[in-house]
Amino acid sequence: LAKTTQPISMDSYEGQEVNITCSHNNIATNDYITWYQQFPSQGPRFIIQGYKTKVTNEVASLFIPADRKSSTLSLPRVSLSDTAVYYCLVGDRNDMRFGAGTRLTVKP
Amino acid sequence: NAGVTQTPKFQVLKTGQSMTLQCAQDMNHNSMYWYRQDPGMGLRLIYYSASEGTTDKGEVPNGYNVSRLNKREFSLRLESAAPSQTSVYFCASSSLAGGPRKGQETQYFGPGTRLLVL
Repeated sequence: LAKTTQPISMDSYEGQEVNITCSHNNIATNDYITWYQQFPSQGPRFIIQGYKTKVTNEVASLFIPADRKSSTLSLPRVSLSDTAVYYCLVGDRNDMRFGAGTRLTVKP
Repeated sequence: NAGVTQTPKFQVLKTGQSMTLQCAQDMNHNSMYWYRQDPGMGLRLIYYSASEGTTDKGEVPNGYNVSRLNKREFSLRLESAAPSQTSVYFCASSSLAGGPRKGQETQYFGPGTRLLVL
């Protein structure tokens, strides 16, 4: 089981780029890295997933170095509505450990 | 397309009472999951069902039972509720994206059921 470590909280301001790094030193060869977003009183929502290098979609980018022992979720030009908890997950469907996540607060 | 639906949205139980939380998905997904989330914490997997007719324990299965009624529905039952089971319960479903690598499945979550056990 690949344990993940993320910062407990982060603050940012509207319009800034936010980078949240997740450490996963024991990631297995076949494991993907997945990030979810959770707003208060809602279930988590998939943001992005990757295996190596860089992945980009309409919401975020995911940077994964060659050793894959960490990953960085990048949110460009955040807005107040990006205030949420962000979870980094590594592993398969039978062992999805969400951890406490990173609570991102975006300020005006 | 409603995605994942859960009933009820909110429930209050007395210690020792039983209840069943219902979950249904209309995305034709093979896998379904039940999680609990305690205040300020991440989600913990209670049970999952990789396919119709199969169920397996997750991280915190004690005090719960599940039934995969058919491909669409996955229920969670508390036989004798305890205050420690006060939590928000989320159901999720996923469909294997294909390929040998793990973690490719995207999970889709329901809105949650808030349970208070007095």
